[in-house]
Amino acid sequence: AQKITQTQPGMFVQEKEAVTLDCTYDTSDQSYGLFWYKQPSSGEMIFLIYQGSYDEQNATEGRYSLNFQKARKSANLVISASQLGDSAMYFCAMGGFGNEKLTFGTGTRLTIIP
Amino acid sequence: NAGVMQNPRHLVRRRGQEARLRCSPMKGHSHVYWYRQLPEEGLKFMVYLQKENIIDESGMPKERFSAEFPKEGPSILRIQQVVRGDSAAYFCASSHDLYGYTFGSGTRLTVV
Repeated sequence: AQKITQTQPGMFVQEKEAVTLDCTYDTSDQSYGLFWYKQPSSGEMIFLIYQGSYDEQNATEGRYSLNFQKARKSANLVISASQLGDSAMYFCAMGGFGNEKLTFGTGTRLTIIP
Repeated sequence: NAGVMQNPRHLVRRRGQEARLRCSPMKGHSHVYWYRQLPEEGLKFMVYLQKENIIDESGMPKERFSAEFPKEGPSILRIQQVVRGDSAAYFCASSHDLYGYTFGSGTRLTVV
């Protein structure tokens, strides 16, 4: 079984500052993928970034980077130079290869303050 | 290349009625997943289907809920005799593997 833990229910961050959203996971799978999704108030799920368990380098996508520490089973999302449009719910998720259903965390509500 | 299409976007049903939610996967994707999101919670897996087959339904409630992905046409999530607790956002995703996972915009079901 897979489990995702997001311990920050809500965060307030000043605009232009960097923010780190925490995510720890637990799995017995050898190969797996880690995802971050953004859910704005409009409700859709927006894919942000993906990290494979065997990827040696941390994933980056524009202002998003994933701080992957396999031994600690953590996959924190880092958003650089935060913007007002970053205000949303953020979900960490993981999936295993072969049956790719995703397990989601409970999310972190990020609010960017002008 | 259209994304994952879900309809309707919003659905209101009275208690006891049936709800039918539709999902057309991305072109080339043969795997479909349904998830439910209760208010202020994360998404919870319900069912994983491939064409004409249910692969994993471990997240489906035992009664009133069913899903299909026929050879032709969209995947359907069917909820019979809806109750207030079924009110939620239902998301469909499609993929050809773990890398190509794409979500639809969801259907917001409200049971009154």
